[in-house]
Amino acid sequence: QQPVQSPQAVILREGEDAVINCSSSKALYSVHWYRQKHGEAPVFLMILLKGGEQKGHDKISASFNEKKQQSSLYLTASQLSYSGTYFCGTERYGGSQGNLIFGKGTKLSVKP
Amino acid sequence: GAGVSQSPRYKVAKRGQDVALRCDPISGHVSLFWYQQALGQGPEFLTYFQNEAQLDKSGLPSDRFFAERPEGSVSTLKIQRTQQEDSAVYLCASSFSGNQPQHFGDGTRLSIL
Repeated sequence: QQPVQSPQAVILREGEDAVINCSSSKALYSVHWYRQKHGEAPVFLMILLKGGEQKGHDKISASFNEKKQQSSLYLTASQLSYSGTYFCGTERYGGSQGNLIFGKGTKLSVKP
Repeated sequence: GAGVSQSPRYKVAKRGQDVALRCDPISGHVSLFWYQQALGQGPEFLTYFQNEAQLDKSGLPSDRFFAERPEGSVSTLKIQRTQQEDSAVYLCASSFSGNQPQHFGDGTRLSIL
């Protein structure tokens, strides 16, 4: 049931791009993306609800495929502030609202 | 307050003691969630409240874990007869409704000696 995130870790130079994937074996109701810095609260990035949806703000965007089994988070022209661990939280059909099952996370390190 | 507030920030207890963790959600948020986060892992769902009603407690690991939200605002997560495997960060999150963005508190880091 736990979604699979890939890669587990990635190291970037400032200005480089990254893609983080989140996959499920079953169709999902929604996908939520969060970023967590060490010792801090996870911070909400975006929710995707519809198959084929793409959304984003500034240089961070995400997509949800038509089958609603895979979501990808796109980070373009990365900044030092993008460093942290990125989690996808998935909401399944038939579960209680907001009962998110999180992946193990992708640790992103952006170097100067 | 502006965000979700959790207290204490850190808690150290001896094995066998009872502990109580507090969560003060964002004002007006109907939904409240508790998660447990082990080191290097993603948050794991524990329980969910809509106002004062506990609608889902399927993630509570054992009957030693108990959560309440008696007036639909502040919530308390209680762990009785703590064990070493209870050591983790306990996160609270709130939202306007169940499938809206969840806003997390900084968590309580619980260490059982």
